Amino acid sequence: AQSVTQLGSHVSVSEGALVLLRCNYSSSVPPYLFWYVQYPNQGLQLLLKYTSAATLVKGINGFEAEFKKSETSFHLTKPSAHMSDAAEYFCAVTGEAGGFKTIFGAGTRLFVKA
Amino acid sequence: EPEVTQTPSHQVTQMGQEVILRCVPISNHLYFYWYRQILGQKVEFLVSFYNNEISEKSEIFDDQFSVERPDGSNFTLKIRSTKLEDSAMYFCASSQEGRKTLYFGPGTRLTVT
Repeated sequence: AQSVTQLGSHVSVSEGALVLLRCNYSSSVPPYLFWYVQYPNQGLQLLLKYTSAATLVKGINGFEAEFKKSETSFHLTKPSAHMSDAAEYFCAVTGEAGGFKTIFGAGTRLFVKA
Repeated sequence: EPEVTQTPSHQVTQMGQEVILRCVPISNHLYFYWYRQILGQKVEFLVSFYNNEISEKSEIFDDQFSVERPDGSNFTLKIRSTKLEDSAMYFCASSQEGRKTLYFGPGTRLTVT
């Protein structure tokens, strides 16, 4: 069965600093990987996705993630944090066939300090 | 831009009562899902629905839960006899194809007292 592990339930950075949110996955078939963002009192929205094309994926709001098969990782980065990036970030994997369920990690809350 | 809608935004119910949460997925999508998020916890898969039947369900989705697509637009989640631990945010999602991006609704906050 597929699974996702996000290291760090909380990450705090200063405005303008690098953002790095870690995600490792497990899947018995080539995975599709996603990062979703959740702002307070809102649903989840897609930041970016990896679907077996380019390993470096660019998303909205300046975020990007790199798929590393050898490390089973899909870490999310942004060169310079902005106050508006403060939110909860979820890594997700869709692996096996059937219902094509997407499994989410526990989430990482990003705090951005002025 | 088309979006997934959910009603109500907040539902308060007493333990043991039945609730129905409603969703209108994006019109040309074929896969429908329910997820829930207990306050401060992870987003948990409940059920996926395709071609008018459940394609997969989690251990959480026991006999007290059911889903239905009563017409061409609505997708509902029914909880037959609510428990305190059912209090959570329930998200509906849809996707055009399997393994594609999920589009989430804004959620229904269910409070069981």
